[in-house]
Amino acid sequence: GEDVEQSLFLSVREGDSSVINCTYTDSSSTYLYWYKQEPGAGLQLLTYIFSNMDMKQDQRLTVLLNKKDKHLSLRIADTQTGDSAIYFCAEKSGYSTLTFGKGTMLLVSP
Amino acid sequence: EAGVAQSPRYKIIEKRQSVAFWCNPISGHATLYWYQQILGQGPKLLIQFQNNGVVDDSQLPKDRFSAERLKGVDSTLKIQPAKLEDSAVYLCASSLGLSIAWDEQFFGPGTRLTVL
Repeated sequence: GEDVEQSLFLSVREGDSSVINCTYTDSSSTYLYWYKQEPGAGLQLLTYIFSNMDMKQDQRLTVLLNKKDKHLSLRIADTQTGDSAIYFCAEKSGYSTLTFGKGTMLLVSP
Repeated sequence: EAGVAQSPRYKIIEKRQSVAFWCNPISGHATLYWYQQILGQGPKLLIQFQNNGVVDDSQLPKDRFSAERLKGVDSTLKIQPAKLEDSAVYLCASSLGLSIAWDEQFFGPGTRLTVL
C-alpha cells in the first residue's frame, strides 16, 4: 500500500531555517500536505501543494516537490519557538483518503 | 466559526470495558472522519461518513469498534470491549464533502484514551 516516510526529529536554533523532509511511494498522489500538531491539539493544515507544482511559498513556509524522486520538503524560515511541534506529511490521490507519515518533531531552542 | 468539538478530552478505562467518544463537526460539513493516532504514529483513518452513510470503514476493527452518525450531524465512536492496544488519541475531522478531490479536513482536539 501507500507509504509516507519522514525523519523523526529535528532540532534548530531560533532564527535559523528548518527543513523537514518526506518521501512517499504513491506515484498517483494528487495532493501533498503539511500538517502541524501542537501538544494536546488536533492537526492544523499548514500548507499543501498540487502534484503539478514544483514549489509553493506562503509567508515563512516554502514547500518543494520533486515528483520524480517522490520527495517533499517543508522549509520554515526564521524559525521561532512557537514553531515547536510535530509536523506531518500527508498525501492523497484522487478521491482516496489521506495517508499520513509518522511525523517529525521540531524542537526550536532559544 | 466554531471548530470540530470532541468529548471527553481524556478517558482512562480498564481492558474489557466499553467506552464511547462523541464528535460534533463544523456546521454544514457533510463528511465526518474518525482517525486513530497511536503514540509516535500518524493518524490512521478508521471510518468516513458522508452525511449519515458510511463511505469507508475498511480499517475499522468491526469486532470491537462501531460508529454511527444517525442524523448526519453528530457522531459517536464506541469500543466494546477495549484492549490495551486501543490506547491512542481518537481524532474526529470534518469537511464540506465537496464532489472534487480537494476537500479540506478540519480536525478536532482529539480524545486521549488510556486502557489499563
